[in-house]
Amino acid sequence: GAVVSQHPSWVICKSGTSVKIECRSLDFQATTMFWYRQFPKQSLMLMATSNEGSKATYEQGVEKDKFLINHASLTLSTLTVTSAHPEDSSFYICSARTSGRLGTDTQYFGPGTRLTVL
Amino acid sequence: SQQGEEDPQALSIQEGENATMNCSYKTSINNLQWYRQNSGRGLVHLILIRSNEREKHSGRLRVTLDTSKKSSSLLITASRAADTASYFCATDAVNYGQNFVFGPGTRLSVLP
Repeated sequence: GAVVSQHPSWVICKSGTSVKIECRSLDFQATTMFWYRQFPKQSLMLMATSNEGSKATYEQGVEKDKFLINHASLTLSTLTVTSAHPEDSSFYICSARTSGRLGTDTQYFGPGTRLTVL
Repeated sequence: SQQGEEDPQALSIQEGENATMNCSYKTSINNLQWYRQNSGRGLVHLILIRSNEREKHSGRLRVTLDTSKKSSSLLITASRAADTASYFCATDAVNYGQNFVFGPGTRLSVLP
C-alpha cells in the first residue's frame, strides 16, 4: 500500500520557537494533503487542506499565520508551527490523497508527529 | 462539527469475545471508513464501505452500513489483545469535498 512518512516523529521545543513538520508521500504523487491535530483521547480534527502549488484552505478557528502550510511538490507538504506555545502541544497527523492508480477514496495517513512545547 | 459519532466511547472485553462498535452520522455520504489507532501512533485504514454497499468483510472484521438510519457498525470477531486500540469511523460526506470527518472514536480494550 501507499506510504506516507512524517518527520520528525517526536519534537520537544521551547515556547516561542518555530517547528517544521514534513509530510511525504513515498510512492505516489499526492495532489491533496491534509493536516490534522489530535489532542489526547480525542479524535482527529482537520486543520487545513493543501493542494500542490496553491494556498492551503484552513478550517474555521485555525490561525493561518500560526500554522503555515507549504505544499511545495506533489510529494511534500510542510506544516510550520510558528511561535509555539504549550497549548500547541499535540499530535499532528498528515494524510495524502491522490487520484488514478491508487484511487480517490482512501486517504493514506502518516504516522504522526508528537509536538511538546515546554 | 463532527460528522461521525461512535458508541460506545469505551469498550472492554475478554480475549476471544466479539467486539461491536457503532457509528452514526448526519449527512449524505459517498463512503464510510473505519480506522484503528494504537496509543500515540498514526491511523491504520481498516475497511471502506461505499454508500451503495450494505456489508463488507475483511478477515475478522465485518462492517455494515445502513444509509436509511445513517449508521454503521464494526464487528471484530474472536478478539485478541493486539486489537486493543481506538477505532474511528470517518465519513467522506457528499458536501465536505475531499476530506474525511472523524468521529470521537471508541477505545477498545481486549483483556488477555
